[in-house]
Amino acid sequence: GQQLNQSPQSMFIQEGEDVSMNCTSSSIFNTWLWYKQDPGEGPVLLIALYKAGELTSNGRLTAQFGITRKDSFLNISASIPSDVGIYFCATRVQGAQKLVFGQGTRLTINP
Amino acid sequence: DTGVSQDPRHKITKRGQNVTFRCDPISEHNRLYWYRQTLGQGPEFLTYFQNEAQLEKSRLLSDRFSAERPKGSFSTLEIQRTEQGDSAMYLCASSWTSANTGELFFGEGSRLTVL
Repeated sequence: GQQLNQSPQSMFIQEGEDVSMNCTSSSIFNTWLWYKQDPGEGPVLLIALYKAGELTSNGRLTAQFGITRKDSFLNISASIPSDVGIYFCATRVQGAQKLVFGQGTRLTINP
Repeated sequence: DTGVSQDPRHKITKRGQNVTFRCDPISEHNRLYWYRQTLGQGPEFLTYFQNEAQLEKSRLLSDRFSAERPKGSFSTLEIQRTEQGDSAMYLCASSWTSANTGELFFGEGSRLTVL
């Protein structure tokens, strides 16, 4: 089945640093999504991408839909403590409503 | 509160017991989803309802699992004869039919521990 590979699995950074993470697949998709999950909470949608090459921002977050349609990138600028959490990429299986999620990138920030 | 509500938040049970989780979606949403999340992994799709109709089921949903949404509003997920491998966070999500695909609103989850 479809598998999404997220990199890195974890990141330890200083407050104020920029963050980059990515998600790749061997399959082509028409949708890329980025969710954030805080401890003890459900995932929350950050950014949705629907077109190859699309670049979308949400505050300090910027995500891109790779031109090959097999990858996506998420960048966070000037990180702050509330950015701590697990970031998941996800995509929709063709012809179905279900989403497939990556294994997540855990972000830890040292103040 | 107009978010997705799940109950209970935590459940500890002994192997072999039955458990039931409830999900109340956002009231205007007609699509409801169940996902399972184990430690260190992303959510895995279990099943999906549009109104009261169960339209998709994952192979993860063994015979011991059953989900219902009898009136097209709240949903229940029952696990019979629980096994230790069932220990996980069970997440419910909802969305509008007309929403762009992927814009799911998740609840806080029900964490199951099977001893």
